[in-house]
Amino acid sequence: GAVVSQHPSWVICKSGTSVKIECRSLDFQATTMFWYRQFPKQSLMLMATSNEGSKATYEQGVEKDKFLINHASLTLSTLTVTSAHPEDSSFYICSAREGREEQFFGPGTRLTVL
Amino acid sequence: GDSVTQMEGPVTLSEEAFLTINCTYTATGYPSLFWYVQYPGEGLQLLLKATKADDKGSNKGFEATYRKETTSFHLEKGSVQVSDSAVYFCALFNQAGTALIFGKGTTLSVSS
Repeated sequence: GAVVSQHPSWVICKSGTSVKIECRSLDFQATTMFWYRQFPKQSLMLMATSNEGSKATYEQGVEKDKFLINHASLTLSTLTVTSAHPEDSSFYICSAREGREEQFFGPGTRLTVL
Repeated sequence: GDSVTQMEGPVTLSEEAFLTINCTYTATGYPSLFWYVQYPGEGLQLLLKATKADDKGSNKGFEATYRKETTSFHLEKGSVQVSDSAVYFCALFNQAGTALIFGKGTTLSVSS
């Protein structure tokens, strides 16, 4: 199947700083990318959906000014956690699909905010 | 709203044992249903899917049947292997068909 990568796989930052997570589709054009958040022993919670070249659509309860999503090309989307706090510590997963084909998931990024 | 409930783990089995992971859903209409698997250190991978009632999805010895009467999509395998150790997620497409809604995941651990 198609490959989606995320970078970094693990990041530790100080409270108040911003962190950027990259999601790349390596062998297909991702017209749509999704960002999920996963808490321990919890399901994946959809945060936002982004279509290339358009503003992201955020799910209810997700602060768009805190979780900035950019999908500037067909192979790259970024999630920036601004002014991170310990409660933002979590596992962030992206997925991507071309058209209405199957979604492919990245391996996830573990964010720890001290 | 739409939701998925799956049995809590961890599920611990010996090699060659029979596996069942229960999954039930709440949704408007008849959404497509999925099982995803996440092996250690890897991203979620689609294991199988079913798009309409009574469909049976199957892959790698795993099976699940779309039961609209019981709103269920239980995952089964007749003989598990150590390599099946992973986290399994049941999911459905939301009503718009644009996003996946996941259960909490069930960790399976198979020992030899």
